[in-house]
Amino acid sequence: EVQVLESGGGLVQPGGSLRLSCVASGFTFDNYAMSWVRQAPGKGLEWVSTISASGISTFYADSVKGRFTISRDNSKNTQYLQMNSLRAEDTAVYYCAKGNTLGVVIAFDHWGQGTQVTVSS
Amino acid sequence: DIQMTQSPSTLSASVGDRVTITCRASQSISGWLAWYQQKPGKAPKLLIYKASSLESGVPSRFSGSESGTEFTLTISSLQPDDFATYYCQQYDSFWTFGQGTKVEIK
Repeated sequence: EVQVLESGGGLVQPGGSLRLSCVASGFTFDNYAMSWVRQAPGKGLEWVSTISASGISTFYADSVKGRFTISRDNSKNTQYLQMNSLRAEDTAVYYCAKGNTLGVVIAFDHWGQGTQVTVSS
Repeated sequence: DIQMTQSPSTLSASVGDRVTITCRASQSISGWLAWYQQKPGKAPKLLIYKASSLESGVPSRFSGSESGTEFTLTISSLQPDDFATYYCQQYDSFWTFGQGTKVEIK
């Protein structure tokens, strides 16, 4: 059974940093791109970042470019999202999501339960 | 950037109704369109990918179609479990979600 499980969320002050992790199981992790998607309270879904299966290619939404860094450790079946210079508007539930095919032209076929990130003083 | 315009934002329907949700892309996305269902407090669930391909395990009452830059999700006979919010997503150039359509009980 495919599973992805996020951790690392919490309360952080504006300007602070947080690192999210996502551990995957039930599939060959290094064959699939992985992504982060967030959802602010009462709002819709917003794509944040995607990393290719090898980790060589990374993609970011304009809203987080230069502040967030996506990475992965295929030996640990884990992807990460390093979030720096956090702002109040980054407050959201952050979901880890698996790509549905090889390559990066992907929909997201498995999602974690989400981890809450709250940016507030 | 590719924009996705989804309509309606809210839809009131009854069990057994045929329901249609539309999503329009601001430019060609070559059919790289997915539909998701999300229930309150839960993660989204993939229903349809590549505009009309049904994800494994998803009931056949869900279907997707495309006509140029306009895409449609149809639920042929609405069931109690289908009351939820639905999102379209393009994945031709980066990834963009529509604003969502809440399907509520009439």
